[in-house]
Amino acid sequence: DGGITQSPKYLFRKEGQNVTLSCEQNLNHDAMYWYRQDPGQGLRLIYYSQIVNDFQKGDIAEGYSVSREKKESFPLTVTSAQKNPTAFYLCASSVDRDTEAFFGQGTRLTVV
Amino acid sequence: KQEVTQIPAALSVPEGENLVLNCSFTDSAIYNLQWFRQDPGKGLTSLLLIQSSQREQTSGRLNASLDKSSGRSTLYIAASQPGDSATYLCAVSGGGADGLTFGKGTHLIIQP
Repeated sequence: DGGITQSPKYLFRKEGQNVTLSCEQNLNHDAMYWYRQDPGQGLRLIYYSQIVNDFQKGDIAEGYSVSREKKESFPLTVTSAQKNPTAFYLCASSVDRDTEAFFGQGTRLTVV
Repeated sequence: KQEVTQIPAALSVPEGENLVLNCSFTDSAIYNLQWFRQDPGKGLTSLLLIQSSQREQTSGRLNASLDKSSGRSTLYIAASQPGDSATYLCAVSGGGADGLTFGKGTHLIIQP
């Protein structure tokens, strides 16, 4: 089945740790995105990539980093510089920036 | 900066009613508008995509309209069912923003 796979579903981070969230897609899409969802707020864009080996900061990139070494994969690292990382993280992909976006099932990150 | 507003924030209706969810956006220079459904703790499921040149799209009991010049879209749900209970999100692409700009959603409860 074609789709977007995010892992893990739940993730716990200790203070000062870096953690990496995985996002893999087999839809052959060029564009991939990371969004953060907090209660009572709309989804906010963290990073996006239009093509392999290229990515751009979104509205709330501070404390996060990404890589796009393969078309299928767009991992997100939440660094210790992100002061309030507890949130629901969603990965998405689309053929390009103007076409329908498809989302994964999300990763819930909690700081312990 | 593009802003998306959804009204109402919450809605509870008896089963079988027809209902309308509203979405407005501030910058009419969009590429497309998408309606999504989100169940608790889950990712987003794409319901309908309307390109900027289109006026409406239909899928089963769902009909979405777009009036780009006035910055408005509506999602019409016919003959509502308890399984329609979820949060419905509206998002636009373009309008000076990268990625999708989301509203905060309408939390819908259909009473059996």
